[in-house]
Amino acid sequence: SAVISQKPSRDICQRGTSLTIQCQVDSQVTMMFWYRQQPGQSLTLIATANQGSEATYESGFVIDKFPISRPNLTFSTLTVSNMSPEDSSIYLCSVATGTLYGYTFGSGTRLTVV
Amino acid sequence: GQQLNQSPQSMFIQEGEDVSMNCTSSSIFNTWLWYKQDPGEGPVLLIALYKAGELTSNGRLTAQFGITRKDSFLNISASIPSDVGIYFCAGQGGGSNYKLTFGKGTLLTVNP
Repeated sequence: SAVISQKPSRDICQRGTSLTIQCQVDSQVTMMFWYRQQPGQSLTLIATANQGSEATYESGFVIDKFPISRPNLTFSTLTVSNMSPEDSSIYLCSVATGTLYGYTFGSGTRLTVV
Repeated sequence: GQQLNQSPQSMFIQEGEDVSMNCTSSSIFNTWLWYKQDPGEGPVLLIALYKAGELTSNGRLTAQFGITRKDSFLNISASIPSDVGIYFCAGQGGGSNYKLTFGKGTLLTVNP
């Protein structure tokens, strides 16, 4: 399965600022996703990162708050904009190399907004 | 949208005991996945199930894809301390519906 490098692994940020999270994969993948995992909760899909076009956002998530880039088949970024304490979560990058291989997750970015 | 009911929410067991957890859905899924998440890490895929009725093992882990395609269970036999973690089920609709829907997780604690 693909190996994902996600950076930073954790950060503490001031409210009102923005943080960009990077996801680098060791091979070309067809699909890349960004998830949020709030403290003690399950995973919620934020958006599908589309290569060369705008990301597809899930209900409750908007581009202005979570802009996503995917310039090629191995890299994507998620920005958490104008942060508030409610944005404190783990943000996870996930990739799919094919429907028969499940989905691989990065180790996540633990974000704390103060 | 699709929802998964995962139970139990948490389990406290003694080392050596067997564990069972399950997920049910009101919707049909074409794929069931079971993940384990350790503290500070992302979920790691344990078992993937692609066919209704399929029973698959991975070491001490066994999972089954329910015949109705609306449920799945995961069994862990002879638990050991490193089995501690949060276990998530996830369902995928299949075809053009590639998105995963996750259960709320089962927190497993194993007492040595």
